[in-house]
Amino acid sequence: AQSVTQPDIHITVSEGASLELRCNYSYGATPYLFWYVQSPGQGLQLLLKYFSGDTLVQGIKGFEAEFKRSQSSFNLRKPSVHWSDAAEYFCAVGGGSSGTYKYIFGTGTRLKVLA
Amino acid sequence: DTAVSQTPKYLVTQMGNDKSIKCEQNLGHDTMYWYKQDSKKFLKIMFSYNNKELIINETVPNRFSPKSPDKAHLNLHINSLELGDSAVYFCASSQGMKTQYFGPGTRLLVL
Repeated sequence: AQSVTQPDIHITVSEGASLELRCNYSYGATPYLFWYVQSPGQGLQLLLKYFSGDTLVQGIKGFEAEFKRSQSSFNLRKPSVHWSDAAEYFCAVGGGSSGTYKYIFGTGTRLKVLA
Repeated sequence: DTAVSQTPKYLVTQMGNDKSIKCEQNLGHDTMYWYKQDSKKFLKIMFSYNNKELIINETVPNRFSPKSPDKAHLNLHINSLELGDSAVYFCASSQGMKTQYFGPGTRLLVL
């Protein structure tokens, strides 16, 4: 069965520090992988996605993620965090046959940024 | 232009009432979804529709009934609301097996 694990429930970093949010997935084939961000009281905004090709993908707001098949991971990184990055981050895996396609979301990682 | 919109944004109601949430997308997508986000922020798919046809129904109580009048709209009707239905409900859409775009959410509070 498909599953997504985000091992860190909360992460706190100082503004300007680097960031890595972990995501591990379980899926039989090569999945579609996504990172979304949810600011308080807001909907989910797509940060980046991986479907195929280059395993290092660039997203919006200076985020990037690397797909590592051998580790079943899709970790999100940012070299220098800004205070406005404080939010909830969700990793998701998408898959299934045509017509039954769906996402499975991880439980989220809440990022706190210290000034 | 809002890609995926939901109404209402907030919904406060009494137990036992019936309520509806509406969703519209102007992206031309063929698939729409309803998700429930609980108080711990866990997101779980409830339903998906592809070209107005119900595709996924994830063990959701019969009190929840989705309806898709056309490809651009997916509504969610909830009968006999219970306290445990309090959550944020998100609508999303995608074109086939591609990226899902989410609406702003409807915050439902059942008293």
